[in-house]
Amino acid sequence: EAQVTQNPRYLITVTGKKLTVTCSQNMNHEYMSWYRQDPGLGLRQIYYSMNVEVTDKGDVPEGYKVSRKEKRNFPLILESPSPNQTSLYFCASSSNDRVATGELFFGEGSRLTVL
Amino acid sequence: EDKVVQSPLSLVVHEGDTVTLNCSYEVTNFRSLLWYKQEKKAPTFLFMLTSSGIEKKSGRLSSILDKKELSSILNITATQTGDSAIYLCAVALTGGGNKLTFGTGTQLKVEL
Repeated sequence: EAQVTQNPRYLITVTGKKLTVTCSQNMNHEYMSWYRQDPGLGLRQIYYSMNVEVTDKGDVPEGYKVSRKEKRNFPLILESPSPNQTSLYFCASSSNDRVATGELFFGEGSRLTVL
Repeated sequence: EDKVVQSPLSLVVHEGDTVTLNCSYEVTNFRSLLWYKQEKKAPTFLFMLTSSGIEKKSGRLSSILDKKELSSILNITATQTGDSAIYLCAVALTGGGNKLTFGTGTQLKVEL
């Protein structure tokens, strides 16, 4: 089954404790991206990757890091989480022929709470 | 600043009703407008509309892009309880990042 898999799905952590949210897709997609979703603000892009070893900032990259060492994986790293990073996070992927028009495949989401 | 605005924020209807959801946008470098449905998990793709394809239909759902008014509507006829979800409108821009600019969504609840 074609899917985007995120882990963990739920996490409660404390300020300053480094964490990684993993994202893996099995569709051989070149493009991957991270979004966060907050009430009243909608989905906002954090980082994206056009292909292996190619990453760039989205609208809200502060406090986050990413890497793209393999085509299928795109982990999101919070080096020193803070309470304002409490949010619902989505990983998304797409093929090059679809991404230009905006069709993305989303993961199930990871709900992160930072105390 | 690019902006996508959806209305209403939420609505409650009864099964069988027809609903119209609205989306307006102010963006530079428009490429396409998309509708996604978000139930209790991942947003799933519904429609993509471009300047060359301004009307789409799939079953009870249909969508129209008004290029002049910079807006779109999503119609759902004969609503069912399974249509209850958040409906997200997004605009894809040309240029770097293939970023989608999302609206905050319309929460639809369909009651028996």
